[in-house]
Amino acid sequence: KNQVEQSPQSLIILEGKNCTLQCNYTVSPFSNLRWYKQDTGRGPVSLTIMTFSENTKSNGRYTATLDADTKQSSLHITASQLSDSASYICVVSAFAGNNRKLIWGLGTSLAVNP
Amino acid sequence: SQTIHQWPATLVQPVGSPLSLECTVEGTSNPNLYWYRQAAGRGLQLLFYSVGIGQISSEVPQNLSASRPQDRQFILSSKKLLLSDSGFYLCAWSVHPLEDTEAFFGQGTRLTVV
Repeated sequence: KNQVEQSPQSLIILEGKNCTLQCNYTVSPFSNLRWYKQDTGRGPVSLTIMTFSENTKSNGRYTATLDADTKQSSLHITASQLSDSASYICVVSAFAGNNRKLIWGLGTSLAVNP
Repeated sequence: SQTIHQWPATLVQPVGSPLSLECTVEGTSNPNLYWYRQAAGRGLQLLFYSVGIGQISSEVPQNLSASRPQDRQFILSSKKLLLSDSGFYLCAWSVHPLEDTEAFFGQGTRLTVV
């Protein structure tokens, strides 16, 4: 069964600190992996999208890493800001027969406190 | 630039009443369009997708239907709402199939069926 599991479920950090969110997946074979940021009550916004051949990708203070061998990805946030408070969702695009489908994680809820 | 509009933002409807949620995309032609539902504690669930006018594919059997009367308009409907239809509904679009590229989401509609 294809699964995308994220940890921790929730996280509280102080403004200015760094943090790392984890995503483990059992999807195989795998096409790409993306991270989305979703503010409360809003639609998700794409942060990064990586193919299996990429092992790191940055978008400002956000850096995603991918280890296709261990099927793990992480999202590192540097110098956190209050506006980083949101849910961060890991999504894996999986091959299913002749088709592909997106498998969404449940997200990590991040709260950045002043 | 491309924008996606989704309305209403919130909706409270009694059980058995009809539903119509509308989504429009500006600044692009022939987009792939999607309706997702996000229930509390669950990942995003793809409900419908459309690759062109009048072309609708359903991912899960349910009480809902979708239509695409115009190239950049996608409508989610129900004839009789159930309590289980409550949730956060998101419209999204992409240039290429969603599994290959990033998707752009609307702001969502919070539907509460009472």
